[in-house]
Amino acid sequence: DAKTTQPTSMDCAEGRAANLPCNHSTISGNEYVYWYRQIHSQGPQYIIHGLKNNETNEMASLIITEDRKSSTLILPHATLRDTAVYYCIVRVGTTDSWGKFQFGAGTQVVVTP
Amino acid sequence: DTAVSQTPKYLVTQMGNDKSIKCEQNLGHDTMYWYKQDSKKFLKIMFSYNNKELIINETVPNRFSPKSPDKAHLNLHINSLELGDSAVYFCASSQVGFGYTFGSGTRLTVV
Repeated sequence: DAKTTQPTSMDCAEGRAANLPCNHSTISGNEYVYWYRQIHSQGPQYIIHGLKNNETNEMASLIITEDRKSSTLILPHATLRDTAVYYCIVRVGTTDSWGKFQFGAGTQVVVTP
Repeated sequence: DTAVSQTPKYLVTQMGNDKSIKCEQNLGHDTMYWYKQDSKKFLKIMFSYNNKELIINETVPNRFSPKSPDKAHLNLHINSLELGDSAVYFCASSQVGFGYTFGSGTRLTVV
């Protein structure tokens, strides 16, 4: 599975959009981009994933560049409850893959009032 | 209705003891996992079972023995506990090729 690079930390003002970048320059054609977050003392929580098209759900939007070498997770209106460590993971997503999720250090996002 | 539930939530025990952590999922997923999160907050996979069969076994001391009586349960037994085993242990489940659903974790403290 391809490795990812994320900033160590970032701050965001409450109510503003938070844009979390992730580089995955060695991504393969069959690897998906997944985002998870871990709020302090809780288990990681799935946010969104995508292959090449941009994706949106009730939690966030995922923008993947055309060459797929980087992506951005967008939290449209950050709240204090969005303070967490955010993990970007690339992983093969085919149904016959036993690939494991490799969690890196992630980005510590702090949302301030 | 908790999707992935682990028990106990907290476990404090002395060195040398044997302990078990239980995990159950009601999502109908085929695959279950154990992850360890140490004091530096890195999440590392330990084991994975698919339909009761071991498919991933990372470099973990053989004092750790997972057991899957059925595809909805994956328990973790740890023999001869050491100080370095102190960590938060997370259980997770998934359908193959899709994202994971994690439990809330078991904080193990070895004293």
